[in-house]
Amino acid sequence: NAGVTQTPKFRVLKTGQSMTLLCAQDMNHEYMYWYRQDPGMGLRLIHYSVGEGTTAKGEVPDGYNVSRLKKQNFLLGLESAAPSQTSVYFCASSIRPRVFEQYFGPGTRLTVT
Amino acid sequence: AQSVTQPDIHITVSEGASLELRCNYSYGATPYLFWYVQSPGQGLQLLLKYFSGDTLVQGIKGFEAEFKRSQSSFNLRKPSVHWSDAAEYFCAVGASGGGADGLTFGKGTHLIIQP
Repeated sequence: NAGVTQTPKFRVLKTGQSMTLLCAQDMNHEYMYWYRQDPGMGLRLIHYSVGEGTTAKGEVPDGYNVSRLKKQNFLLGLESAAPSQTSVYFCASSIRPRVFEQYFGPGTRLTVT
Repeated sequence: AQSVTQPDIHITVSEGASLELRCNYSYGATPYLFWYVQSPGQGLQLLLKYFSGDTLVQGIKGFEAEFKRSQSSFNLRKPSVHWSDAAEYFCAVGASGGGADGLTFGKGTHLIIQP
């Protein structure tokens, strides 16, 4: 039981490049989340999903897209990376929103130059 | 909408001393409360949670937290800290009133342990 895994762990992009971050969970959770973590800002919700085939915007969705084609996977895409997207990205999953705890992946450190 | 305030950005404690990290929340009904810890370069790990019942909650690694409705607080405590407790600590609040957008997190408290 791996829990929540994220790939890659580190990535450096040039401005304007695109990339996809992959999150996978093996706990059969319906709900999945993408956060970004910046110094002094805590965790900010980018997008979330309430089940396979669904996605919704969080607090800071601009510049990101997501897809949940399979229940166990939640992809975060950057179509045209900007330096402001330099951050650590965390994926999380949960049985139910707000009531049960979220399980977090180890994070992806992204640098955009 | 709910919110979480962690008033202390940094706290420095000597090894072996007691610890209290503050968390205040804003929510109209009974909240669901969580404390997470993040070690350097790691993801977030759940320390403890409060749903209902006993207001003193025990967690992993010797931590406990007390829910005080009158003060809208959920402070984290440990009687004697170890050097390995140096980390970032996040308080979070959930709500039973619907909405799928998950938990609301505080901005975190960075704990430094002095030898």
